[in-house]
Amino acid sequence: SQTIHQWPATLVQPVGSPLSLECTVEGTSNPNLYWYRQAAGRGLQLLFYSVGIGQISSEVPQNLSASRPQDRQFILSSKKLLLSDSGFYLCAWSRTGVHQPQHFGDGTRLSIL
Amino acid sequence: AQKITQTQPGMFVQEKEAVTLDCTYDTSDPSYGLFWYKQPSSGEMIFLIYQGSYDQQNATEGRYSLNFQKARKSANLVISASQLGDSAMYFCAMREGRENQGGKLIFGQGTELSVKP
Repeated sequence: SQTIHQWPATLVQPVGSPLSLECTVEGTSNPNLYWYRQAAGRGLQLLFYSVGIGQISSEVPQNLSASRPQDRQFILSSKKLLLSDSGFYLCAWSRTGVHQPQHFGDGTRLSIL
Repeated sequence: AQKITQTQPGMFVQEKEAVTLDCTYDTSDPSYGLFWYKQPSSGEMIFLIYQGSYDQQNATEGRYSLNFQKARKSANLVISASQLGDSAMYFCAMREGRENQGGKLIFGQGTELSVKP
């Protein structure tokens, strides 16, 4: 069966510090991968998605970036965090096909001080 | 324009009763999928149920069923026999058929369901 791992679960960072959140998927190959951000009490905002190694599409201009160095690894990064980067970050994977759901990791709660 | 609309920010239901969470969508793509997710307070997103645009019958998964009215572009989630553990945020989402956009899901703003004992 497929599993998705996302870490860390919680992170507190000072403004201006770098960020690296990692997500890995097991049990499948060539998944579509996604990074979302969720502000408190709000819906999910798609940040990036990837359909293959090295292929990244950005949905929202911001000071975040994403990379996919391996087939089942997706990394969310920032060189300098802003206060507005606080939120709940979720990684997800899916197979290709309109009937395929996305499966989510447990999320990372990021607080910027 | 909003592609997924959930008009109920919050809902209350008595334990053991049924509840309907509303979702309307907008797309010009003839092929699409509709999904419902549950997000408890712990934060994880749990996939509940799926409905395809070409499906003739409404989807069911245990106590969850989807009332799909294609002409009205609505895909309401029905939870039967509510339980205290059903208290959570519920999101409706749509995946359009154009896979060149990576199969991304478009989410509604969610409905917070509270089940009363």
